[in-house]
Amino acid sequence: KAGVTQTPRYLIKTRGQQVTLSCSPISGHRSVSWYQQTPGQGLQFLFEYFSETQRNKGNFPGRFSGRQFSNSRSEMNVSTLELGDSALYLCASSPGYGNQPQHFGDGTRLSIL
Amino acid sequence: SQELEQSPQSLIVQEGKNLTINCTSSKTLYGLYWYKQKYGEGLIFLMMLQKGGEEKSHEKITAKLDEKKQQSSLHITASQPSHAGIYLCGAETDAGGTSYGKLTFGQGTILTVHP
Repeated sequence: KAGVTQTPRYLIKTRGQQVTLSCSPISGHRSVSWYQQTPGQGLQFLFEYFSETQRNKGNFPGRFSGRQFSNSRSEMNVSTLELGDSALYLCASSPGYGNQPQHFGDGTRLSIL
Repeated sequence: SQELEQSPQSLIVQEGKNLTINCTSSKTLYGLYWYKQKYGEGLIFLMMLQKGGEEKSHEKITAKLDEKKQQSSLHITASQPSHAGIYLCGAETDAGGTSYGKLTFGQGTILTVHP
């Protein structure tokens, strides 16, 4: 079974731009969660989608948004990029029901200049 | 303060030594997950604990959950250089099955194993 795939692996943007990150979950998984990882704040939950609906959201500004498609693939968008948005963005997938662990992709490293 | 506290923050051991990493929650635990991360890469799932007193083992790694103390421990026996990395505990702390994909993570423990 293929794992969670995130694209691109690396991205460099400048302040004020916007960016879209993509995540393909493990086949059969309907839940996709997104996390931001920084040296100062660690791993922080952004949001979770299940069957194209956002079920949960963390404490991030509205500049961070996401969506999920009917094939469970998910995208995350960050608008008006700030220097502090530089981070490793990780997505994780799980079946979305019952007590099942999340499986993570390798992440997208976003650098803001 | 952190919702999930891990200790120690870093650990340097000689190959062959045993070690323990602790994870303590300030909230009720509804599920506790251990992951390993190589720097700059994704998290690799190790173990999931859900019931107080539960203990699971995989190869030389054992994890336990103490529900009363809201604490979990990860123990590595006879450490090897391949065990080196960042160990993270993640927890579901929202009641009634409402976590919906949200895990709260500790700050991580950096493990170095010298050959």
